[in-house]
Amino acid sequence: QSALTQPRSVSGSPGQSVTISCTGTSSDVGGYNYVSWYQQYPGKVPKLMIYDVSKRPSGVPDRFSGSKSGNTASLTISGLQAEDEADYYCCSYAGTSYVFGTGTQVTVL
Amino acid sequence: EVQLLESGGGFVQPGGSLRLSCAASGFTFSTYAMSWVRQAPGQGLEWVSAISGDGAVTYHADSVKGRFTISRDNSRNTLYLQMNSLRGEDTAVYYCAKQVGGTHVYWGQGTLVTVSS
Repeated sequence: QSALTQPRSVSGSPGQSVTISCTGTSSDVGGYNYVSWYQQYPGKVPKLMIYDVSKRPSGVPDRFSGSKSGNTASLTISGLQAEDEADYYCCSYAGTSYVFGTGTQVTVL
Repeated sequence: EVQLLESGGGFVQPGGSLRLSCAASGFTFSTYAMSWVRQAPGQGLEWVSAISGDGAVTYHADSVKGRFTISRDNSRNTLYLQMNSLRGEDTAVYYCAKQVGGTHVYWGQGTLVTVSS
């Protein structure tokens, strides 16, 4: 049950695109299509942004998209906006457990 | 509207015990699996435990196996986490979450557990 690997931080200017990777193994990310992404502001509750690899819940802007290739999932934020500055976590089902990513801080320059 | 309200957190000495509760409303509680997820101060999210809708199947992270027990009372729409043999590294905000498929869709506001002498 090792945490999924995410970059510690990514940054971009308003309007640019950023992509956050989430690397696991064939026992989690690569084995199931149950990868989700959460946005968390400091001191706040995590919010679901993407589920089942690439599905967006109602109310989440279409600037957020998800994908997966092999053991690596990705979250892309297109047209970066100031309010996107937050921490992002991936999460994968792993059969008899769940595993979260190490977290990525997104900074809007 | 889905609501999840955790309670039971507090200050406890190492080796002590606490029981967390999560009162659910706004959905048919017995139909959904539930999880506990924690976040240590300044750290990332860590899945702790999960339980099926009928309570028959439970899973725990290796870090808490043998010390924590997840359970539920569907007649009371309440989820529990019994935490024994607490350690300093168990200090965290504990969130309960409603699962839909393989996703933690709704989260409570969390309850803080502090383990210290």
